[in-house]
Amino acid sequence: AQSVTQPDIHITVSEGASLELRCNYSYGATPYLFWYVQSPGQGLQLLLKYFSGDTLVQGIKGFEAEFKRSQSSFNLRKPSVHWSDAAEYFCAVGGFKTIFGAGTRLFVKA
Amino acid sequence: GAVVSQHPSWVICKSGTSVKIECRSLDFQATTMFWYRQFPKQSLMLMATSNEGSKATYEQGVEKDKFLINHASLTLSTLTVTSAHPEDSSFYICSAAIGGATEGIQYFGAGTRLSVL
Repeated sequence: AQSVTQPDIHITVSEGASLELRCNYSYGATPYLFWYVQSPGQGLQLLLKYFSGDTLVQGIKGFEAEFKRSQSSFNLRKPSVHWSDAAEYFCAVGGFKTIFGAGTRLFVKA
Repeated sequence: GAVVSQHPSWVICKSGTSVKIECRSLDFQATTMFWYRQFPKQSLMLMATSNEGSKATYEQGVEKDKFLINHASLTLSTLTVTSAHPEDSSFYICSAAIGGATEGIQYFGAGTRLSVL
């Protein structure tokens, strides 16, 4: 069955510290992979996507993600977190239907 | 960039009434739109896929007679919650796909918070 797992329900990092949000997927074919961010009471904004090619993809707001087929992972990273990055992050696998992970809430402490 | 407008952003209604939520793609044409429901602190649950000019495809367990979806044009899809009850209170989010529904990137509306009293 197709699924997306985000193992961390919430993560707290200090402002300026690096960030890595984990995402593992189960998908029968070559996946289309996405990371979205959701601020409270808002819709989702696309951070980045992977369709094919270079496995390290760059997104908006300084985020990047690396597709590792052998590990079925698509982890999101940012070298230096800003307080404004505090939000909910969703990993998603696309195909005929997009399947979203449960989300990881990021808290940023001063 | 692609903008999706969702209206209203918040609605309060009495039990038994119907509520209509609009989803518009402002600067592009969307053949396919999606409707999601999100419970507090949970992920998005796909309710239905809406294709312009045809009947929506509902996910298992979603009552099509309760959640009426109309996609009459390439820029507008509506979700009507009929005879709303308190258990229908939730955050509803629409999205519009560019590039086809298969691999397509989805652009999301800001969501509608429905509170049924």
